[in-house]
Amino acid sequence: DVKVTQSSRYLVKRTGEKVFLECVQDMDHENMFWYRQDPGLGLRLIYFSYDVKMKEKGDIPEGYSVSREKKERFSLILESASTNQTSMYLCASSLWLAGGAQETQYFGPGTRLLVL
Amino acid sequence: GQNIDQPTEMTATEGAIVQINCTYQTSGFNGLFWYQQHAGEAPTFLSYNVLDGLEEKGRFSSFLSRSKGYSYLLLKELQMKDSASYLCAVRNDRGSTLGRLYFGRGTQLTVWP
Repeated sequence: DVKVTQSSRYLVKRTGEKVFLECVQDMDHENMFWYRQDPGLGLRLIYFSYDVKMKEKGDIPEGYSVSREKKERFSLILESASTNQTSMYLCASSLWLAGGAQETQYFGPGTRLLVL
Repeated sequence: GQNIDQPTEMTATEGAIVQINCTYQTSGFNGLFWYQQHAGEAPTFLSYNVLDGLEEKGRFSSFLSRSKGYSYLLLKELQMKDSASYLCAVRNDRGSTLGRLYFGRGTQLTVWP
């Protein structure tokens, strides 16, 4: 079974703090993704990565950065947390299939972040 | 851009059949996924369609019409545990968006006894 783990299920931080959210997958997947999910807005892509040291901006990258130093680990960084970054953060990973198609994404359990 | 539309909420009773529709407008279409998400949990993969037609998997089936930009998820013999949000996602395999999934906002299904 594919396993995607996230470092925390719940996190409380103060405005202005630097926040690190870690995601690890154990299936040697090339692709990794960070989403946030808010009521009424659905899943929105923040950043994604196709390989080590590669990153691509998603739809809402402002206020976030990412790091992918190892294939299995993809970190999301909130440089200076703000209250509007209170959200559920979901990490996902997927595999490239032969022919260039991407397999389904497998999601981690999520981190519910509260910024006070 | 990508535009994926699905109803916000649906209700049904145990044992019934429910159909959740999803319409999309996208360039570079390369497949449509359905996910189930229970409250407070991560989305889990349900089905995948890339060619027109119906894919059946137990009580769940998914249909795709690429020419109409339309898909539906059919849930039969509904059970209380099917109460969840159902997410439609379209895969785009063109240019800088290669491999991305674009998600609809989800349909919250409530199953009543």
